[in-house]
Amino acid sequence: GAVVSQHPSRVICKSGTSVKIECRSLDFQATTMFWYRQFPKQSLMLMATSNEGSKATYEQGVEKDKFLINHASLTLSTLTVTSAHPEDSSFYICSANPGQTYNEQFFGPGTRLTVL
Amino acid sequence: DAKTTQPTSMDCAEGRAANLPCNHSTISGNEYVYWYRQIHSQGPQYIIHGLKNNETNEMASLIITEDRKSSTLILPHATLRDTAVYYCIVRSSGYALNFGKGTSLLVTP
Repeated sequence: GAVVSQHPSRVICKSGTSVKIECRSLDFQATTMFWYRQFPKQSLMLMATSNEGSKATYEQGVEKDKFLINHASLTLSTLTVTSAHPEDSSFYICSANPGQTYNEQFFGPGTRLTVL
Repeated sequence: DAKTTQPTSMDCAEGRAANLPCNHSTISGNEYVYWYRQIHSQGPQYIIHGLKNNETNEMASLIITEDRKSSTLILPHATLRDTAVYYCIVRSSGYALNFGKGTSLLVTP
């Protein structure tokens, strides 16, 4: 199957700083990417849908000014957690959809964010 | 998207078939049934999906009932590496996957 990578895999930062997480589709072009987060012992929760060249669509309760998403190319989407706080500590996972007619969605390995 | 109901946890002996059930009684005609699994601290891994017909690939088989209100994922010969949380998801093509709580499968020696 297709490969999606994330960078970094793990990041520790101080409260108040911003952290950028990259999601790349390595061998296909992704018109749509999705960002999820997962708290310990919980399921994945969709945060936002990122479409190449347009603004992201955020799920209810997700602050768009805090979680900035940029999908500037067909192979890269970035999630920036601005002014991170300890409650933002979580496992962030992206996925990519090669196209509307292609049913599989491929997930990255995740990024573990710890805010001190 | 239609909701799904799965058992919270299941055990299976290594080498045996693991049969994971899923109820999706409100599924609509254009929604597919997807199965993903997540091994601890990793991203979800695609297993299989189907619309109406039974499907089989190198990882598993998917049996969908004729009324499409339920399905079963079959891992024919479970190994210890199959221990994971298995998610049954229904969705229309091109939309995000909404994960429920899944079934935690423990494969024992």
